[in-house]
Amino acid sequence: AQRVTQPEKLLSVFKGAPVELKCNYSYSGSPELFWYVQYSRQRLQLLLRHISRESIKGFTADLNKGETSFHLKKPFAQEEDSAMYYCALVSYNTDKLIFGTGTRLQVFP
Amino acid sequence: SQTIHQWPATLVQPVGSPLSLECTVEGTSNPNLYWYRQAAGRGLQLLFYSVGIGQISSEVPQNLSASRPQDRQFILSSKKLLLSDSGFYLCAWTGLRGTGELFFGEGSRLTVL
Repeated sequence: AQRVTQPEKLLSVFKGAPVELKCNYSYSGSPELFWYVQYSRQRLQLLLRHISRESIKGFTADLNKGETSFHLKKPFAQEEDSAMYYCALVSYNTDKLIFGTGTRLQVFP
Repeated sequence: SQTIHQWPATLVQPVGSPLSLECTVEGTSNPNLYWYRQAAGRGLQLLFYSVGIGQISSEVPQNLSASRPQDRQFILSSKKLLLSDSGFYLCAWTGLRGTGELFFGEGSRLTVL
């Protein structure tokens, strides 16, 4: 079964500290993985996708097929990074996007 | 440019009453359309998705139904609401198949009393 697991409901760090939001997936085949973000009073939006291998707002995520993980990382957190983060996967056979339960990141000054 | 609208933004309904949440997309054609529910501690749960007019896939057996009467219109309904139907409902669309990039509406908060 396709499943995305985000073990942390809440992650609190101080400004300037490194951040790692954990995501593990269960999928037979080659999944396409994403991170979505929802800032306060804004719509849920795409942050980055693994296939692009890009860094967005200082965030990166590497797909580790051996560990079936796609953790989101940023070396120095900023207060404006405070938001709800969702990991998600989609298969090329369908257009269904399966989300994890989300992790709320709080960055304190 | 493409936009997505859903309404109402907030709804308070008694148990047993009907529900209709509407979502429309502008500026694109033949989009895939989705209804998700965001509930505390459960993340985003896919409820329904549609690849075309009249084509609805239900992901979770439940008290809700969806319809797509027009290409860019997606409706979430219930004949009799339950307390457990309370939550934040999100409509989304994608125009690029297989990219995984969904564009979400602002959401509709439903409280069933």
